[in-house]
Amino acid sequence: ETGVTQSPTHLIKTRGQQVTLRCSSQSGHNTVSWYQQALGQGPQFIFQYYREEENGRGNFPPRFSGLQFPNYSSELNVNALELDDSALYLCASSLGLAGLGEQYFGPGTRLTVT
Amino acid sequence: ELKVEQNPLFLSMQEGKNYTIYCNYSTTSDRLYWYRQDPGKSLESLFVLLSNGAVKQEGRLMASLDTKARLSTLHITAAVHDLSATYFCAVDRGSGGGADGLTFGKGTHLIIQP
Repeated sequence: ETGVTQSPTHLIKTRGQQVTLRCSSQSGHNTVSWYQQALGQGPQFIFQYYREEENGRGNFPPRFSGLQFPNYSSELNVNALELDDSALYLCASSLGLAGLGEQYFGPGTRLTVT
Repeated sequence: ELKVEQNPLFLSMQEGKNYTIYCNYSTTSDRLYWYRQDPGKSLESLFVLLSNGAVKQEGRLMASLDTKARLSTLHITAAVHDLSATYFCAVDRGSGGGADGLTFGKGTHLIIQP
């Protein structure tokens, strides 16, 4: 059984640029959620994708967007990067809608915006 | 708005001692999760508590849930250095729709000294 994987591991971007982060869900899981974890804080829910559609969203602006593909892998896109976007981005996969099943987290992508 | 509060936020303790981390949440939910995070790493699932009165134990850690009091505890027995980490509790609204994702506490940074 393959766990949740994310790429890249680390990324450095300049303010105003755009970034795409990728996540492959655990085998058999059809739901992917994305979280942002600032240094010293708990993760914050960005959004969730279920069967290729956004199924819920946290308090994040529209410049945070995502996709889920037929194989249930997912992308997180952030446009017009700001310094405060520097964080660890975690994706989590689950079988069925989050809240009905345990979420398994990937290793994360550390994004630094300068 | 669902709020999750953990206390203490920082805890330094000696090996062999017992201690409890508390997690209070503000709205009705019967699904609570405990995660462990090592520095620079992702979240490792420790316990999933799905009903009032649920108690789960793994090694030196035991978690419980009181949905009426909106309180979960993580008890550490005879602490060892390897348990040093940051511990998060997370709650979902249990609506089944997953639209809100998990709401995390700020984490308890635990240091266990020899």
